[in-house]
Amino acid sequence: GAGVSQSPSNKVTEKGKDVELRCDPISGHTALYWYRQSLGQGLEFLIYFQGNSAPDKSGLPSDRFSAERTGGSVSTLTIQRTQQEDSAVYLCASSFGGFQETQYFGPGTRLLVL
Amino acid sequence: KNQVEQSPQSLIILEGKNCTLQCNYTVSPFSNLRWYKQDTGRGPVSLTIMTFSENTKSNGRYTATLDADTKQSSLHITASQLSDSASYICVVRRGDSWGKLQFGAGTQVVVTP
Repeated sequence: GAGVSQSPSNKVTEKGKDVELRCDPISGHTALYWYRQSLGQGLEFLIYFQGNSAPDKSGLPSDRFSAERTGGSVSTLTIQRTQQEDSAVYLCASSFGGFQETQYFGPGTRLLVL
Repeated sequence: KNQVEQSPQSLIILEGKNCTLQCNYTVSPFSNLRWYKQDTGRGPVSLTIMTFSENTKSNGRYTATLDADTKQSSLHITASQLSDSASYICVVRRGDSWGKLQFGAGTQVVVTP
């Protein structure tokens, strides 16, 4: 079956612009996660959606970052007024349950802020 | 300070040789530890998962070990192949009710012919 998909695969933007990154999780997965992977760094947790519960936003680095998950499926990560330090690979993952379940990752969106 | 430290940061090995990657963690309480393989331009893929009571687990040519007392894990790659070139990430799940994951920075492995 189809895995987790993300779009766009690459995004180049100018400092100060807003960007939207999209994640389509595996059908039936109730949990969805966003991570950021900077060059040479480990994966950094951003936000976690689980079913209809309020999302865990504890990993969002600033109020310029926000995410939504519509209809319990597709999610959009929005970065407002992008900064050069936002340049990274943004990975989305989904799982049947919470953190105890195996997470299946998408290919990521490579964001470059000039 | 990162609660999951991996070493070496990178290594280059000849095709057919073996190598061992290390992961030391301080995450507490501990639930489980996973090794992921991340090919360039792809998302991570789970290789093994080990709980507190498991010492060794294999997945083909990959063998993971866990010493929960010393909080150390290793991933051994036997008879390396060019397709093993990737980043290998150690991930530890906390043993509390929330169970958040702590990620290592990864070891970049390059297998050369």
